[in-house]
Amino acid sequence: QVLLVESGGGVVQPGRSLRLSCAASGFTFSSYAIHWVRQAPGKGLEWVAFISYDGDKIYYADSVKGRFTISRDTSKSTLYLQMNRLRTEDTAVYYCARVLIPALPWFDYWGQGTLVTVSS
Amino acid sequence: EIVMTQSPATLSVSPGDRATLSCRASQSVSNNLAWYQQKPGQAPRVLIYGASTRATGIPARFSGSGSGTEFTLTISSLQSEDFAVYYCQQYNTWPPLTFGGGTKVEIK
Repeated sequence: QVLLVESGGGVVQPGRSLRLSCAASGFTFSSYAIHWVRQAPGKGLEWVAFISYDGDKIYYADSVKGRFTISRDTSKSTLYLQMNRLRTEDTAVYYCARVLIPALPWFDYWGQGTLVTVSS
Repeated sequence: EIVMTQSPATLSVSPGDRATLSCRASQSVSNNLAWYQQKPGQAPRVLIYGASTRATGIPARFSGSGSGTEFTLTISSLQSEDFAVYYCQQYNTWPPLTFGGGTKVEIK
């Protein structure tokens, strides 16, 4: 079955960096676009970033542009989110989520999420 | 950026009753709208895409309607497992993808 498993979350000080991973299985990873979506504690969902199936197209939310980098390693069936210059407002559960049709990105599968806490 | 507004923020419903949730877009999103259900401590789960198409395995008591800027999610007869938070998401014009603020369906 389709599985997305995030890891790499934790507690980090403001201004520091963290790299999240999303390990995919149960489907052909190289054929699907993947997004990151986050959720601050007690709040709603916020889209963060997108990468196309081949890595050629990448988009970011304005709130993370210039600080976060999304990438993928097809050989490892893994998606990454490199987060630099972290701010307290980046505190959230980070989900990776798959889309069936890249041009119509509704999310058919989500990971369980990994919590990032930015605090001094 | 398209702003999605959900109402009400909280809906108190008795088991077996009908629940109607609303989602409004700040500009037309055609029928490019999805609905998700999220339970505490869990990831969201897609219920509806294309404004009215139920996702695989979603019970028939969930239905979506609307197009343009006004959308509705209806749960025809609430079951205990349906008490959760529901989000709408537009994917017509992006980036950015945008979600509504959510409607919490609680037991009356």
